[in-house]
Amino acid sequence: DQQVKQNSPSLSVQEGRISILNCDYTNSMFDYFLWYKKYPAEGPTFLISISSIKDKNEDGRFTVFLNKSAKHLSLHIVPSQPGDSAVYFCAARTPGYSTLTFGKGTMLLVSP
Amino acid sequence: NAGVTQTPKFRVLKTGQSMTLLCAQDMNHEYMYWYRQDPGMGLRLIHYSVGEGTTAKGEVPDGYNVSRLKKQNFLLGLESAAPSQTSVYFCASSYGQMNTEAFFGQGTRLTVV
Repeated sequence: DQQVKQNSPSLSVQEGRISILNCDYTNSMFDYFLWYKKYPAEGPTFLISISSIKDKNEDGRFTVFLNKSAKHLSLHIVPSQPGDSAVYFCAARTPGYSTLTFGKGTMLLVSP
Repeated sequence: NAGVTQTPKFRVLKTGQSMTLLCAQDMNHEYMYWYRQDPGMGLRLIHYSVGEGTTAKGEVPDGYNVSRLKKQNFLLGLESAAPSQTSVYFCASSYGQMNTEAFFGQGTRLTVV
């Protein structure tokens, strides 16, 4: 059973607008969440993270929100730029384990 | 600073052949991982290592073996390749469990015919 779900395979946004990527999880033991960005023919790169004790984390144009009661997190990109076009993976960590569980990814396309 | 380097970048194998994928990191990371990425499946963990000389199974370990003889290297072996192992393989490393910001290699695209 998939513990980290990204239900939108793709998202299209116009340049300058807000992009909102969503991620749901089922394991209430997850204590740390991360977003990775991946361009074609490259490996994923770390983007932003949030601890389960927080509900928001900002880094420039990127903000991650965590709603623990709903087991939901979202990544906001404001303003969106064409260079943000990539696949975004949500990942989560279980305490005591050394690995991350990844979602299937959402492909974001930002058009000029 | 090379980060995480994977060798080779592309490979075509015939069913039943064997090969080894090499991952090397120069960041003195303790933790190393092998993932595979398939369309619509996201990243799935094959094997990982929490330090030199250690290995552990991930989500999809069958058909693969790994070794971590040196801290900087993590090898992924396919003893008898199958078409189901056609995938893009990513190696990653991280400082440790508390810091989960893993650094990924560029990937190896493997096709088994």
